[in-house]
Amino acid sequence: QLQLQESGPGLVKPSETLSLTCTVSGGSISSSSYYWGWIRQPPGKGLEWIGSIYYSGSTYYNPSLKSRVTISVDTSKNQFSLKLSSVTAADTAVYYCARIRAVAGGSLNWFDPWGQGTLVTVSS
Amino acid sequence: AIRMTQSPSSFSASTGDRVTITCRASQGISSYLAWYQQKPGKAPKLLIYAASTLQSGVPSRFSGSGSGTDFTLTISCLQSEDFATYYCQQYYSYPPLTFGGGTKVEIK
Repeated sequence: QLQLQESGPGLVKPSETLSLTCTVSGGSISSSSYYWGWIRQPPGKGLEWIGSIYYSGSTYYNPSLKSRVTISVDTSKNQFSLKLSSVTAADTAVYYCARIRAVAGGSLNWFDPWGQGTLVTVSS
Repeated sequence: AIRMTQSPSSFSASTGDRVTITCRASQGISSYLAWYQQKPGKAPKLLIYAASTLQSGVPSRFSGSGSGTDFTLTISCLQSEDFATYYCQQYYSYPPLTFGGGTKVEIK
């Protein structure tokens, strides 16, 4: 059974860089059928897709965050990572990683499964 | 970006009720729509993809319909474990992938 687990600091100072890692277990991150992604949810609010990556390193980013986001993959460790720079209080959220079903040509589809999520608070 | 609008944003219902949640896309998305259930403090769980295909392991009381711009999620007989927030998500056109604002189903 595939499982995803987010890890990283729970507190980040304003203007610094948020860094999270998602470790995939029970399956290979190098599967040709899937992308891997990050989604966030501010407290009490809805879901926002941040970006996604293929095992080859191909990425898609949300245009609203693109200038601050970098997603990378480490196939040797079965992990992918998120970096979000110049954070503010508005970036306080639960951050989820998830697998994304993909079809031929790299089309992104639905998210399943999801990690349990990790709360990141931006505060001095 | 395609905007996804859910209605209502919240409502109260009783166990055994038939409930319907609506999701409208700002432009046609064919059947490229998924539905998720989220309980407090938990990650979202995939219920339906391709607008009407039930994910493996999801109870058959859940069903989805629609295509183009208008979609519905129906729970035929609400159970206690179904009280949660439901989100739709389009994957027709990206970036960005976009979610609806959520519909919270509360106990009456």
